Amino acid sequence: QSALTQPPSASGSPGQSVTISCTGTSTDVGGYNYVSWYQQHPGKVPKRMIYEVSKRPSGVPDRFSGSKSGSTASLTVSGLQAEDEAEYYCSSHAGGNNPHVVFGGGTKLTVL
Amino acid sequence: QVQLQESGPGLVKPSETLSLTCTVSGLSISSDYYWGWVRQPPGKGLEWIGTIHHTGRTFYKPSLNGRVSISVDTSKNQFSLKLTSVTATDTAVYYCVREIASSPDFWGQGTLVTVSS
Repeated sequence: QSALTQPPSASGSPGQSVTISCTGTSTDVGGYNYVSWYQQHPGKVPKRMIYEVSKRPSGVPDRFSGSKSGSTASLTVSGLQAEDEAEYYCSSHAGGNNPHVVFGGGTKLTVL
Repeated sequence: QVQLQESGPGLVKPSETLSLTCTVSGLSISSDYYWGWVRQPPGKGLEWIGTIHHTGRTFYKPSLNGRVSISVDTSKNQFSLKLTSVTATDTAVYYCVREIASSPDFWGQGTLVTVSS
């Protein structure tokens, strides 16, 4: 069982928007602004799409946006395109006596 | 451009020690970043294993603590992973990563390690 909870699947039609949630606790998502999102196509290396909740690395389209409310972070993909179909993972810093990083279980995004 | 490349045996026997090395190019490993490992069992999700700073400071996934160790060799611009007492559940693609603010940004291509007799 993953530390962060994501829905196993999400879908939308081309041009639509879809939001993927990532739920943690006060000791990870809720306690720090260190949430990241990764996109992984089959057989490929994960690619970071969002870091520090809402920042986009250079080269990532502004169709991808991130936010957080309490212990739930969200990734929104606007203007869906066929190439957005992939697995998406969230991650967060987790504090306490032994700081570490936790991942969500992943969400398969299907573009209909 | 930063590049990371994993190397090591692709097959490890149960109860033995998994050892992997990551060679970093394009950036000194003594830069102010953390360097770590993430794994992905076949068909499953990502799992963070641990990370190290060039000063030697380490952090590990709590449930792996005791079996995992990460070390750094600044003279070779490399860092390494050792995972002891492996079982079939340790079979995975292992990625080495550069990490900043608890966020892996650069990833190696990954190497599949199978635990089997």
